[in-house]
Amino acid sequence: SQQGEEDPQALSIQEGENATMNCSYKTSINNLQWYRQNSGRGLVHLILIRSNEREKHSGRLRVTLDTSKKSSSLLITASRAADTASYFCATERSYNTDKLIFGTGTRLQVFP
Amino acid sequence: DAGVTQSPTHLIKTRGQQVTLRCSPKSGHDTVSWYQQALGQGPQFIFQYYEEEERQRGNFPDRFSGHQFPNYSSELNVNALLLGDSALYLCASSTGTFRGYEQYFGPGTRLTVT
Repeated sequence: SQQGEEDPQALSIQEGENATMNCSYKTSINNLQWYRQNSGRGLVHLILIRSNEREKHSGRLRVTLDTSKKSSSLLITASRAADTASYFCATERSYNTDKLIFGTGTRLQVFP
Repeated sequence: DAGVTQSPTHLIKTRGQQVTLRCSPKSGHDTVSWYQQALGQGPQFIFQYYEEEERQRGNFPDRFSGHQFPNYSSELNVNALLLGDSALYLCASSTGTFRGYEQYFGPGTRLTVT
């Protein structure tokens, strides 16, 4: 079963624009992670935010977490064509740990 | 430093057959997890191995089994293949448990069942 739902399912933007993806989940969590996947290949870890954190930055990435709303957002600033990929949120629940539950993903296309 | 490696890259099997997929974790990692990713979906957790034992299992039938070797490498076995088993199978490694640690994923094995 999927824990998270990403929104939107697909997003198309021009290079230089910002891209925002949202993730909602169902149960209380220890942490939430964002991953990128290029063309059905392996996933690359982008950023991890713990349940007691509200915002985290890494380069052009900004992640927010609102545990009261059970939601997170990933912002990619000044997007590049190379950012074209699918983005997934994954949660480690506060009970039944030791496994990640992935969302359904957002497909981002950045046009040059 | 080699990352997570998986073999084979692609595999075609027929219904009813059995398949074995292999994974070598990133150097220094002792925990291996397997995921199934159907086309257009997010990865689904199959199971996790630590210290050669299955520690956690997702909602997958007993046809899916695994093994971890003393060198931390792992195998995923699927028996009595069904068409619905066609997917990308991802292996991820980490150190210790998931609690606050990122997963390092391999490139995956694409299994096609005909």
